[in-house]
Amino acid sequence: NAGVTQTPKFRVLKTGQSMTLLCAQDMNHEYMYWYRQDPGMGLRLIHYSVGEGTTAKGEVPDGYNVSRLKKQNFLLGLESAAPSQTSVYFCASSYEGQGPNQPQHFGDGTRLSIL
Amino acid sequence: AQKVTQAQTEISVVEKEDVTLDCVYETRDTTYYLFWYKQPPSGELVFLIRRNSFDEQNEISGRYSWNFQKSTSSFNFTITASQVVDSAVYFCVLRYNFNKFYFGSGTKLNVKP
Repeated sequence: NAGVTQTPKFRVLKTGQSMTLLCAQDMNHEYMYWYRQDPGMGLRLIHYSVGEGTTAKGEVPDGYNVSRLKKQNFLLGLESAAPSQTSVYFCASSYEGQGPNQPQHFGDGTRLSIL
Repeated sequence: AQKVTQAQTEISVVEKEDVTLDCVYETRDTTYYLFWYKQPPSGELVFLIRRNSFDEQNEISGRYSWNFQKSTSSFNFTITASQVVDSAVYFCVLRYNFNKFYFGSGTKLNVKP
């Protein structure tokens, strides 16, 4: 049981390039999330999804797009990367069937550097 | 406005000492949820505990204990007889409105042998 898997683990981009981060979960969770973590700070929610085909903005959505075409996958896209998007990105999923008090399960993170 | 405050940026203790990590939160919602996560040097996030706003019962799990006080909007975390393996960054998290998640800035705990 892999849990939440993020691909890739590391990536270096040049300013203006685009890329997609992939998150896959095998726990049949409805909810999925993308966060970013900057040095000395907690995680901040970028976008989230409450089910297949649905997405919504979180706290810091600008410069990112997401898609949830399949229940198990949640993609995060950077259309035109900027140095300010250098960060560690975490994907998470959760089961909400028993209410919103369920913990999130996190991937191991993707370290992204924009030069 | 910051929703979760972890005023202790970094704490250093010697093994076997007790240590308390403070968390103060802010929300106007009457229903909310609080969590603690551990982030060891390897970087992954590990769930430790959750608490609902309507359940003020404190909890103990082995060397870990949590003190939830609505009157002071605090959800503090105590590690008894700390060990080197407890060295990590600990995050307090507030969730409300089902889609609002706020992480504190984290407290880095260094446990020295």
